[in-house]
Amino acid sequence: AQKITQTQPGMFVQEKEAVTLDCTYDTSDPSYGLFWYKQPSSGEMIFLIYQGSYDQQNATEGRYSLNFQKARKSANLVISASQLGDSAMYFCAMRDNFGNEKLTFGTGTRLTIIP
Amino acid sequence: NAGVTQTPKFRILKIGQSMTLQCTQDMNHNYMYWYRQDPGMGLKLIYYSVGAGITDKGEVPNGYNVSRSTTEDFPLRLELAAPSQTSVYFCASSYGQRSYEQYFGPGTRLTVT
Repeated sequence: AQKITQTQPGMFVQEKEAVTLDCTYDTSDPSYGLFWYKQPSSGEMIFLIYQGSYDQQNATEGRYSLNFQKARKSANLVISASQLGDSAMYFCAMRDNFGNEKLTFGTGTRLTIIP
Repeated sequence: NAGVTQTPKFRILKIGQSMTLQCTQDMNHNYMYWYRQDPGMGLKLIYYSVGAGITDKGEVPNGYNVSRSTTEDFPLRLELAAPSQTSVYFCASSYGQRSYEQYFGPGTRLTVT
């Protein structure tokens, strides 16, 4: 069974600073995908970034990067130059790459950016 | 291109009532999913479908039923609503075949009293 652990229930970060949100995972599958989603107070789920288990390089999307350490089974999200609009819940998720592609989510981290 | 749409946005049910949450996608995705999100928690998979006519249980299927008669629609049926089903329900879809992203609908907030 797959499991995602996010150990930071909440974080407060000064605007313009970088922030790292932790995510560790557990799976016995050799092939899997890791995702980060943002959920603002309005409630929708916004896709941020994806990392495949066989990708050689860490994924980047604008101000978002994923620090993928396969041996440690961690997939931390790094947000550079944080903005007030980054305040939201952030969820790490893992996808089964065999068959149904369902996502397993962590419990999330609430990020608050302080002006 | 509307993406994934869900109706209704909000609903209050009395214990024992039934209802259907509607989900439609216009991206011709094969894979569709229903998740629920309890307060302060992550999303948990209720049911999923890998194509029209094919459905399967997820992590928390009890109290729910689904059908997939077309590629576009994936309704979720609640029978005999219970307070434990108070949650926000998200429908999602993806191309499958290791596509990168699941596209989520805006959610339905359901309260059972």
